[in-house]
Amino acid sequence: RKEVEQDPGPFNVPEGATVAFNCTYSNSASQSFFWYRQDCRKEPKLLMSVYSSGNEDGRFTAQLNRASQYISLLIRDSKLSDSATYLCAVNSGGGFKTIFGAGTRLFVKA
Amino acid sequence: DGGITQSPKYLFRKEGQNVTLSCEQNLNHDAMYWYRQDPGQGLRLIYYSQIVNDFQKGDIAEGYSVSREKKESFPLTVTSAQKNPTAFYLCASSSQVNNEQFFGPGTRLTVL
Repeated sequence: RKEVEQDPGPFNVPEGATVAFNCTYSNSASQSFFWYRQDCRKEPKLLMSVYSSGNEDGRFTAQLNRASQYISLLIRDSKLSDSATYLCAVNSGGGFKTIFGAGTRLFVKA
Repeated sequence: DGGITQSPKYLFRKEGQNVTLSCEQNLNHDAMYWYRQDPGQGLRLIYYSQIVNDFQKGDIAEGYSVSREKKESFPLTVTSAQKNPTAFYLCASSSQVNNEQFFGPGTRLTVL
């Protein structure tokens, strides 16, 4: 089993749709969780950190479920500009090493 | 402006040659990382360094070497021992506070 696994993609949604991504992790001692966005042929950019209480930034909501060992990202009112690959990342239980998921590709269509 | 720079953006080398990729950050971050990304794949950790003069192997360190002589710099050498060096190489750094990693723009290495 991979340490961090994401929903297989791609997700194809119309503008205005709500889309949710899940990411599971295997190390129960993991402490820090993140979502990154990566555009084609560009570097990943931090979208948001995921806190135990959940957090929201505009149309984006991230949640953590420690009992089931997964994090989620919800995007409401999808825009064409949301089309990208979304990577989840999990800090492996202390220290600086962070494991990235393989990414989920999102296509938002007009 | 604070950030991470990588150079060059594109690099072509002949098979059998060593090549060094540059990574510099002025974010005052202690930790720095090198990842490799192949088409349609996720990020794989090559090496990381938590502090100057110290570094650890990641998941795919074979055929690569690094140094961390200064806090700001973490160069990666791709040696001739690396069997499939053609890839997108990403450097990142993070602080001790929250482990949020920030990436440089990457170097696309093509070995001919």
